[in-house]
Amino acid sequence: QKEVEQDPGPLSVPEGAIVSLNCTYSNSAFQYFMWYRQYSRKGPELLMYTYSSGNKEDGRFTAQVDKSSKYISLFIRDSQPSDSATYLCAMSFSGNTPLVFGKGTRLSVIA
Amino acid sequence: GAGVSQSPRYKVAKRGQDVALRCDPISGHVSLFWYQQALGQGPEFLTYFQNEAQLDKSGLPSDRFFAERPEGSVSTLKIQRTQQEDSAVYLCASSPLGAGRNTGELFFGEGSRLTVL
Repeated sequence: QKEVEQDPGPLSVPEGAIVSLNCTYSNSAFQYFMWYRQYSRKGPELLMYTYSSGNKEDGRFTAQVDKSSKYISLFIRDSQPSDSATYLCAMSFSGNTPLVFGKGTRLSVIA
Repeated sequence: GAGVSQSPRYKVAKRGQDVALRCDPISGHVSLFWYQQALGQGPEFLTYFQNEAQLDKSGLPSDRFFAERPEGSVSTLKIQRTQQEDSAVYLCASSPLGAGRNTGELFFGEGSRLTVL
């Protein structure tokens, strides 16, 4: 079992839909949780960053961390075709340990 | 430029050849990371530098992989005697923060896509 599990999709939704993306993890020592977005043939770019449990909102994006369930989520409201990309969850144990990524979920938002 | 720059963007090598991949991080960024991303997978950690010091190389898959950052800025990832399983995108990322304060907010380059025939 990999440390971080993420359904690779693909996930296809109509424009305007609410999208829910999820990751589970096995090691309770993870403390820092991130979501990166990766467009085709580009490098990942940071979308959301959360420390420990809780919610964080930024515009149309909401990140949730439930450490008791070892489960993190990213919600995208009013999805747009420009949101079509691969979404990678990532986490780390501490400030000086490398990120561990999920395999990414490919999202297509259809106009 | 303002972002992380990697070259070459695409590299085709014959099995057994040596390759060198270059990363030019954002100016002033202390931390530099190399990740390997196979097709359909997430990035996997290879190695980490803080300035010129290589603090973690636990992710390098074999002794054919070598990385350096001699002056604390540009870094080179070298792969000797390439094998087909080395085919992947090699991503470089930098951060303005040093070890102990690196909260995972990394700035990635577009990657070098290596194909070994």
